Amino acid sequence: DADVTQTPRNRITKTGKRIMLECSQTKGHDRMYWYRQDPGLGLRLIYYSFDVKDINKGEISDGYSVSRQAQAKFSLSLESAIPNQTALYFCATSDLDGGLKTQYFGPGTRLLVL
Amino acid sequence: QQQVKQSPQSLIVQKGGISIINCAYENTAFDYFPWYQQFPGKGPALLIAIRPDVSEKKEGRFTISFNKSAKQFSLHIMDSQPGDSATYFCAASSTSGSRLTFGEGTQLTVNP
Repeated sequence: DADVTQTPRNRITKTGKRIMLECSQTKGHDRMYWYRQDPGLGLRLIYYSFDVKDINKGEISDGYSVSRQAQAKFSLSLESAIPNQTALYFCATSDLDGGLKTQYFGPGTRLLVL
Repeated sequence: QQQVKQSPQSLIVQKGGISIINCAYENTAFDYFPWYQQFPGKGPALLIAIRPDVSEKKEGRFTISFNKSAKQFSLHIMDSQPGDSATYFCAASSTSGSRLTFGEGTQLTVNP
């Protein structure tokens, strides 16, 4: 969905390096999420934010941190990357619309940690 | 812990056949059950969703069947087409929260 963009789309890094994945959205949504996707494990929530001042840990937050710089921007950082953080990372946004909780995903960032 | 279990992990169907993907959940507070479709190189996108006040929801060739007592729901794709080949994720959430819990995903291949 072009309304949710992620940079970079692909990244190769080395163990121990700090990297940042960025997400921007033009949907005007307050809620933003970071997930990682691994084969056979589905999508697992890393962090989520309901507004600029609200940051919450998801089910697998260890080794990650986030920053909500503005309503439209939500960044994910790996302070010291390790090989088992090799995965596909997705940013998503949502808003409550008639009680539904549709999430809109970006195109993903494929990360390889050597 | 995986609160939503999805099966099968992969599924191969012939064109025109019926694809069936099943999910089971544990948390009785869940009251919203969407299915997401993901094509290679893309992010997941909402396909269809159901609330537990109905047992079935149909949108074109896609149908969700919901069994509240068994805590199970399934996606049926009628007249499956090669263009339906994708990864499908079931998910669940509760009204009190805004977090989706996803199943493990099913990679569907529809052969021509």
